[in-house]
Amino acid sequence: KAGVTQTPRYLIKTRGQQVTLSCSPISGHRSVSWYQQTPGQGLQFLFEYFSETQRNKGNFPGRFSGRQFSNSRSEMNVSTLELGDSALYLCASSALGQGKKKKNIQYFGAGTRLSVL
Amino acid sequence: GESVGLHLPTLSVQEGDNSIINCAYSNSASDYFIWYKQESGKGPQFIIDIRSNMDKRQGQRVTVLLNKTVKHLSLQIAATQPGDSAVYFCAEGWGYSTLTFGKGTMLLVSP
Repeated sequence: KAGVTQTPRYLIKTRGQQVTLSCSPISGHRSVSWYQQTPGQGLQFLFEYFSETQRNKGNFPGRFSGRQFSNSRSEMNVSTLELGDSALYLCASSALGQGKKKKNIQYFGAGTRLSVL
Repeated sequence: GESVGLHLPTLSVQEGDNSIINCAYSNSASDYFIWYKQESGKGPQFIIDIRSNMDKRQGQRVTVLLNKTVKHLSLQIAATQPGDSAVYFCAEGWGYSTLTFGKGTMLLVSP
């Protein structure tokens, strides 16, 4: 089974621009979560989508948004980029709600490294 | 790839030693715990999980110990190898809730 795939792997943008990142979950997984990872703050939860609906949201400004498509693929968008948005953005999928195990084990992609200049 | 290990506690061991990585968790209601390994330039990789009704679980070369009394979790790696060098995160969860991740520990294995 293929793992979580994120594209692109690297992005360089300038302040004020917007960016869209893409994530394809593990086949059969309907939950997709997004995280921001920086050396100083560690892993911070952005949002989670399940069956095309946002199920949970972290404490990030409205410039960060996402969506999920009917095939479970997800995109996140950051508008009006700031220097502080430079980070590794990780997508994770989970077999949430499937089977008897009531756990939300996340399986991560390799991430998109975003640099804002 | 760029390191995620800046400002993290670091454990340095020699190849062949056993490593013990510790994690304090915060929520006494958490009903499962997970360990992840993140190598430089890669995303976190699932290693092993443990339910709160267990105090020990073994995998391949790894053992998780859970002490609910003091809310402490540890990951033991037997016969540590250079390929084990990475940042290790613990995470706690409750049902289908969003996971809460620890800050991580960097493990450095020297030959």
